[in-house]
Amino acid sequence: QVQLVESGGGLVKPGGSLRLSCAASGFTFSDYYMSWIRQAPGKGLEWVSYISSSGSTIYYADSVKGRFTISRDNAKNSLYLQMNSLRAEDTAVYYCARDGVGVELFDPWGQGTLVTVSS
Amino acid sequence: QSVLTQPPSVSGAPGQRVTISCTGSSSNIGAGYDVHWYQQLPGTAPKLLIYGNSNRPSGVPDRFSGSKSGTSASLAITGLQAEDEADYYCQSYDSSLSYVFGTGTKVTVL
Repeated sequence: QVQLVESGGGLVKPGGSLRLSCAASGFTFSDYYMSWIRQAPGKGLEWVSYISSSGSTIYYADSVKGRFTISRDNAKNSLYLQMNSLRAEDTAVYYCARDGVGVELFDPWGQGTLVTVSS
Repeated sequence: QSVLTQPPSVSGAPGQRVTISCTGSSSNIGAGYDVHWYQQLPGTAPKLLIYGNSNRPSGVPDRFSGSKSGTSASLAITGLQAEDEADYYCQSYDSSLSYVFGTGTKVTVL
């Protein structure tokens, strides 16, 4: 079955860096756009970034532009999010999600990985 | 970043019907982009509930229905059940080349 598994979360100091990974299985990863979405504790969902199937098209939310970098390795069926210059407000559960084909939706989602930015 | 506006909470007794509104703007819902709905049970990742304004993925009970009109959309739950207690989010696309989510609605079964 389709599965997405995130890893790489943890505790990091303000200004620090972290790299999240998302391992995909059960579908042809290279056929799909992928996204990162985050949810701060007790808050709503916020789209962070998406990347096209080939990696040639990338967009970011204004809140992370210039600090976060999304990438993918289709040979390894993996999605990444490099997060630099982290701030307290970046504290959240980060989900990877598969984008719909020709439809701007997310299905399925991974279980999420918690990133905590604190001194 | 653009957001879609939802009521913070709705509640109903078992068996009742509740509706959740999702209000956007001319750059997202009003621009013709589809609205999708997600259900997030406590402590779990969101799950696609309604796609393309009114379509249910396989396995989603027909108690859940969606509609869209103008710059707004709605999710209805008929025959409310205890297991429907969760957070619900609408989502669309925006002309600013970003995805947008609703503010989220907590459904409580009385």
